[in-house]
Amino acid sequence: AQSVTQLDSQVPVFEEAPVELRCNYSSSVSVYLFWYVQYPNQGLQLLLKYLSGSTLVKGINGFEAEFNKSQTSFHLRKPSVHISDTAEYFCAAMNTGFQKLVFGTGTRLLVSP
Amino acid sequence: DTEVTQTPKHLVMGMTNKKSLKCEQHMGHRAMYWYKQKAKKPPELMFVYSYEKLSINESVPSRFSPECPNSSLLNLHLHALQPEDSALYLCASSQEILGTAINEKLFFGSGTQLSVL
Repeated sequence: AQSVTQLDSQVPVFEEAPVELRCNYSSSVSVYLFWYVQYPNQGLQLLLKYLSGSTLVKGINGFEAEFNKSQTSFHLRKPSVHISDTAEYFCAAMNTGFQKLVFGTGTRLLVSP
Repeated sequence: DTEVTQTPKHLVMGMTNKKSLKCEQHMGHRAMYWYKQKAKKPPELMFVYSYEKLSINESVPSRFSPECPNSSLLNLHLHALQPEDSALYLCASSQEILGTAINEKLFFGSGTQLSVL
């Protein structure tokens, strides 16, 4: 069964600094990968997804992620964060042909001035 | 309209009460989902409906009863809940059930924050 690991429960960073949120998944066999963001008292919003093709995926709000099959990773990056990026970020994976999206435990990004 | 609307936003209920959560989407999506999210935890899948039929039940206790009266509506009926059932209940929808199309994405509602006393 697919599992997703987000090792960092919280990442503090200063405004305009770069950030990387780490995500590793367990099974590299035909996997789809996603990053979702959850702002306080909100549902989840899709940031970006990797289905196939280019390993560098660009999403909304200036975020991007790179699929690395050999390291079974899908880390999320942003070159310069804003205060408004403070939120919970969930990595998720789904084996193709399966109907269940498996979420990681989440990383709280805290951006301070 | 690209929204999934959930009502109520907040709900407090006793362990003997019966209440219902409602979810609505008008995007023509044929798959709808209920997730449960405890504080500081990821969402956990509860139920999936595809074309108004229950497709997945993740071994959820019978005190939670889902209902899909039509393709736009999804309800979650609650009865005799326990305090540990207090959580954020999220509804989501997708064009087709996940895993059947290459370009699937989930649209989430803002959730119902449920407190069971």
